[in-house]
Amino acid sequence: GAVVSQHPSWVICKSGTSVKIECRSLDFQATTMFWYRQFPKQSLMLMATSNEGSKATYEQGVEKDKFLINHASLTLSTLTVTSAHPEDSSFYICSARDNQETQYFGPGTRLLVL
Amino acid sequence: QKEVEQNSGPLSVPEGAIASLNCTYSDRGSQSFFWYRQYSGKSPELIMFIYSNGDKEDGRFTAQLNKASQYVSLLIRDSQPSDSATYLCAVRSSGTYKYIFGTGTRLKVLA
Repeated sequence: GAVVSQHPSWVICKSGTSVKIECRSLDFQATTMFWYRQFPKQSLMLMATSNEGSKATYEQGVEKDKFLINHASLTLSTLTVTSAHPEDSSFYICSARDNQETQYFGPGTRLLVL
Repeated sequence: QKEVEQNSGPLSVPEGAIASLNCTYSDRGSQSFFWYRQYSGKSPELIMFIYSNGDKEDGRFTAQLNKASQYVSLLIRDSQPSDSATYLCAVRSSGTYKYIFGTGTRLKVLA
């Protein structure tokens, strides 16, 4: 099956710092990747759609200047949480779409902002 | 507003029984339907997808789709305690690659 990796799996940072999360499709090329956020006991919330070589499309209510997305290659998308605050603490999960439109999820990144 | 509805559960079934998970969706233009399993603290894992009306079987899992009733279900035969997880239904509408997720049904398989 298709494999998607994320790095780091865990990150703790101080309020006001920036954190970069990488999402890689390991055995397929993904022109589209997605970034989700999930708070405890809640469902997935789509933050943005990342398209290789173009600007990301953000969902309503998601600040594009706070959550910077770059999709520089067919196998890598990055999410940078800028000037992180405690309310940004969450489980961030990426997914990559294969050429059959199925999304495969990465293992997720737990962010804790102190 | 396109919606995907699932009963949050928990749905409790004894080991060895059939677990039946249901999902309804509002957008008649929906094209593709997916079931994911999510263990506590983990990311979702694809179980199977279905595009056409009818049944699709993969091992102990069977997905059933009825587009006229806007209904998709997942049957798990011979349920095992390791099947205890939250099951997410996802729907892709026409003209977009985005999925709309249900809130998930928590399944408990009792040993």
